[in-house]
Amino acid sequence: QVQLVESGGGLVKPGGSLRISCAASGFTFSDYYMSWIRQAPGKGLEWVSYITTSGSYTNYADSVRGRFTISRDNAKNSLYLQMNSLRAEDTAVYYCARGMRAGCNWFDPWGQGTLVTVSS
Amino acid sequence: QSALTQPASVSGSPGQSITISCTGTSSDVGGYNYVSWYQHHPGKAPKLMIYDVSNRPSGVSNRFSGSKSGNTASLTISGLQAEDEADYYCCSFTGIILVFGGGTKLTVL
Repeated sequence: QVQLVESGGGLVKPGGSLRISCAASGFTFSDYYMSWIRQAPGKGLEWVSYITTSGSYTNYADSVRGRFTISRDNAKNSLYLQMNSLRAEDTAVYYCARGMRAGCNWFDPWGQGTLVTVSS
Repeated sequence: QSALTQPASVSGSPGQSITISCTGTSSDVGGYNYVSWYQHHPGKAPKLMIYDVSNRPSGVSNRFSGSKSGNTASLTISGLQAEDEADYYCCSFTGIILVFGGGTKLTVL
């Protein structure tokens, strides 16, 4: 079955960096757009970034643009999010989600999430 | 890009119907038929319930339906069941980025 498993979350100090990963299985990973979405404690969902099938185009929410970089390795069926200059407000559960074959109008399915905590 | 506006909470009794609204602008909800809805039970992965305003993915109960009028989209759940109690989020693709609503907590009384 289609499965997305995030990993790499943890505790990092403000200003620090972290890379989280998402391992995909059960579908042809290279055929789909992929996205990261986050949920801060007690808050709602916030779209973070998406990447096209080949990785040639990416887009970001204003809150993370210039600090976060999304990437993918189709040979490894993996999605990544490199997070730099982390702030306390980046503390959240980060979800990996599959988009569509030719766009990112919706997300299905989602992974279980990985928690990133930014604190001194 | 501002978040879409949803009511913080709604409630209903088993068997009843409820509707959750999602209000945006002509730049998001009103401008594209790309509204999706997600059910989120805390601690679990969010689940797609409706895509492209009114389409139901395979496996989602036909008790869930979506619609849109102008800048406001709606999710209706009929025949409420205890397992429907969850947080619900709308999302709109704006042609460039995506924006979520603030979420609505559904309580089944």
